[in-house]
Amino acid sequence: ETGVTQTPRHLVMGMTNKKSLKCEQHLGHNAMYWYKQSAKKPLELMFVYSLEERVENNSVPSRFSPECPNSSHLFLHLHTLQPEDSALYLCASSRGQGPYEQYFGPGTRLTVT
Amino acid sequence: GNSVTQMEGPVTLSEEAFLTINCTYTATGYPSLFWYVQYPGEGLQLLLKATKADDKGSNKGFEATYRKETTSFHLEKGSVQVSDSAVYFCALSDLGGGADGLTFGKGTHLIIQP
Repeated sequence: ETGVTQTPRHLVMGMTNKKSLKCEQHLGHNAMYWYKQSAKKPLELMFVYSLEERVENNSVPSRFSPECPNSSHLFLHLHTLQPEDSALYLCASSRGQGPYEQYFGPGTRLTVT
Repeated sequence: GNSVTQMEGPVTLSEEAFLTINCTYTATGYPSLFWYVQYPGEGLQLLLKATKADDKGSNKGFEATYRKETTSFHLEKGSVQVSDSAVYFCALSDLGGGADGLTFGKGTHLIIQP
């Protein structure tokens, strides 16, 4: 399944670094999402974009900064992260806002040292 | 708010056993319901879905029926295989709830032994 791709697949960064995660969808969808998956916790919705506009921000710390330059691409810019931010970050897309199924990328495994 | 509750496991079964993973939900509106599966090292894949009461979603031998009266969407399979070992997530999407992402349960780790 190559409908949603994410790069890099693995990332190790120090707390003072700045890095970016990239997501690309090839499904012609209009909505894109960032989720955080930590051990022993439910998936947490971080950001929602619909037609390139942010429609939801679930109280995510400002050290996470999303960017959606077009409907196919989504970035998550990271700076001054904390060790507790280590997790699997998943990107997803869907046909639009509403009760549509979402298609997920393979995720970026982030480790903050 | 919306929430999904599912058994966390791990659930360990022998090959060819019958599988049930329970899922119940609370929602402010009239949700669509989903089961996703996550194999090791991969993202989530949609397994099946149901959009209204009494709908049955099915795929790859798995089934789940949308039960509005019991607010449940239990996942079943008649005969599991080793390749079914994965983490299974129940989720809902509630148009009336105002959120556009999915609300997930914590996931159930399924282990199938030969």
